[in-house]
Amino acid sequence: KNQVEQSPQSLIILEGKNCTLQCNYTVSPFSNLRWYKQDTGRGPVSLTIMTFSENTKSNGRYTATLDADTKQSSLHITASQLSDSASYICVVSISGGSYIPTFGRGTSLIVHP
Amino acid sequence: NAGVTQTPKFQVLKTGQSMTLQCAQDMNHEYMSWYRQDPGMGLRLIHYSVGAGITDQGEVPNGYNVSRSTTEDFPLRLLSAAPSQTSVYFCASRLTGVDQPQHFGDGTRLSIL
Repeated sequence: KNQVEQSPQSLIILEGKNCTLQCNYTVSPFSNLRWYKQDTGRGPVSLTIMTFSENTKSNGRYTATLDADTKQSSLHITASQLSDSASYICVVSISGGSYIPTFGRGTSLIVHP
Repeated sequence: NAGVTQTPKFQVLKTGQSMTLQCAQDMNHEYMSWYRQDPGMGLRLIHYSVGAGITDQGEVPNGYNVSRSTTEDFPLRLLSAAPSQTSVYFCASRLTGVDQPQHFGDGTRLSIL
């Protein structure tokens, strides 16, 4: 069964600190992995996508990594801001025509001043 | 562009009542989908559509109906509401291609008493 596991479930950090969120998956055949940010009371918004051939990709203070061999991805947030407080969701899509992506349960990040 | 618009934002129903959640997008996206989000769980796909006139079931379709008469609109119908359908419902749309990001609405918060 295709699964996406995220850790930690929740995280509290101080403003200005860095943090790393983890995503492990067993989805196969792999097409891509996408990280979404979901603010409280809003829908998810895409941060970045990782394909099989990509190891690292940055979007401002967000840097995603992918290790396709170990089926792991991470999202690193640098110099955190209060606005980074949100849930971060890892989503993996498979190749071969399936329209059903597999969602992780998300990591809830709280940034304190 | 308004993006993906969901109405209503909040709704309370009694068990056995029926209702329709509305979803509209103005980005000319072919693919549209409905998800439910429950505490401690990842987003789960209810139904999806790859174009006008074409719909298919997702992971948790029981108790829900959909139709896609136009590219823009993708309503979700609850036939006979049950307390287990209390959830936050998200509509999403994207261009064709699993590498395309999904654009989510801000959700409908539905409580069934």
